[in-house]
Amino acid sequence: DTGVSQDPRHKITKRGQNVTFRCDPISEHNRLYWYRQTLGQGPEFLTYFQNEAQLEKSRLLSDRFSAERPKGSFSTLEIQRTEQGDSAMYLCASSFSGKTYEQYFGPGTRLTVT
Amino acid sequence: TQLLEQSPQFLSIQEGENLTVYCNSSSVFSSLQWYRQEPGEGPVLLVTVVTGGEVKKLKRLTFQFGDARKDSSLHITAAQPGDTGLYLCAGPVSGGYQKVTFGTGTKLQVIP
Repeated sequence: DTGVSQDPRHKITKRGQNVTFRCDPISEHNRLYWYRQTLGQGPEFLTYFQNEAQLEKSRLLSDRFSAERPKGSFSTLEIQRTEQGDSAMYLCASSFSGKTYEQYFGPGTRLTVT
Repeated sequence: TQLLEQSPQFLSIQEGENLTVYCNSSSVFSSLQWYRQEPGEGPVLLVTVVTGGEVKKLKRLTFQFGDARKDSSLHITAAQPGDTGLYLCAGPVSGGYQKVTFGTGTKLQVIP
């Protein structure tokens, strides 16, 4: 299967700890997106890469959040000094350059901050 | 800001019933996508509608794009328990690096 994969699927951490999530997009896709989703709501845009360049960041992404996509392949999302409000599902999606609006999502990482 | 509002927010129906979910905006979209998301999983793309008035069918699911490209609907015929999930509409944001905005979602439960 060559779909989008995310690791870990679940993460429980204590408030104040740092966490890092990984996303491996579909190999032919040059665009990669990170979203945050709370229960029963639609995904909220966090940030977007075209190849290795981070082109846009949402105002939702505070200074505690950082994302990278070295070499334009996999991407990581790090949250420093986690807060209880960071508890959510973090989704990664990738897309073709010709149809960027059709996004292929990974299974997500469920973060719980205690 | 291009917002997508979905209605109803929640829907619980018996197996075999028909239903319609709506996605509305005050803004024009070049296209709209529909996704279905099951608990604990990421959204899965169902369809893209591009032309105003376009109708697309996917087995028992019928998708329609409004003539003015500001709204869309999803109609499910003879719903089955496997249709249970969160239905999301989404569309590209104009002027924003191919960013996509998602609707508020409709949570559907089909009771056997």
